[in-house]
Amino acid sequence: DVKVTQSSRYLVKRTGEKVFLECVQDMDHENMFWYRQDPGLGLRLIYFSYDVKMKEKGDIPEGYSVSREKKERFSLILESASTNQTSMYLCAVSRGAYGYTFGSGTRLTVV
Amino acid sequence: QKEVEQNSGPLSVPEGAIASLNCTYSDRGSQSFFWYRQYSGKSPELIMSIYSNGDKEDGRFTAQLNKASQYVSLLIRDSQPSDSATYLCAVKPGATNKLIFGTGTLLAVQP
Repeated sequence: DVKVTQSSRYLVKRTGEKVFLECVQDMDHENMFWYRQDPGLGLRLIYFSYDVKMKEKGDIPEGYSVSREKKERFSLILESASTNQTSMYLCAVSRGAYGYTFGSGTRLTVV
Repeated sequence: QKEVEQNSGPLSVPEGAIASLNCTYSDRGSQSFFWYRQYSGKSPELIMSIYSNGDKEDGRFTAQLNKASQYVSLLIRDSQPSDSATYLCAVKPGATNKLIFGTGTLLAVQP
């Protein structure tokens, strides 16, 4: 089974900072996803990538960008962090018909 | 808009009882169905997948699928306090690798 690693479990950043969230898989799956999860709102898709350098916007891409330079790594970038981006961020890797495997999540607080 | 609907709960059951969690989906072309368990502050973990009509059992868990009614359910037998978590239903429509998630049902098992 694929292992999905998110580099930080907790992060505290200041408003206006540029923030990088990293996600790394230990296999060769093509599809990777970034979600944020907020109480009462469920999982909301920010961006996804189906191959190196390929990306598509999800449901809430505003204020975010992504980078996928290598197949195993998918980065989420908050260009200028704002307090409304305080959330739990979850990276997921698709195993096709077998569903997703999630990373352990990054709880980001923007102050 | 493809949708997955779940009752948010909380669903409260006594220890040892059967917990029944339900999910409906809108896309008739959906092929694969998943149940994820998410403990508070943790990331979702896959507990069951089901692909064809009928029941699928794994230990204390049984997933049920009825494609004609567009309905998926998860039964947890002999519920334990450790089963207390949010259960997310996810559906894989057609050819895409992108899952559609419900907002989750909070299950509370009372000792």
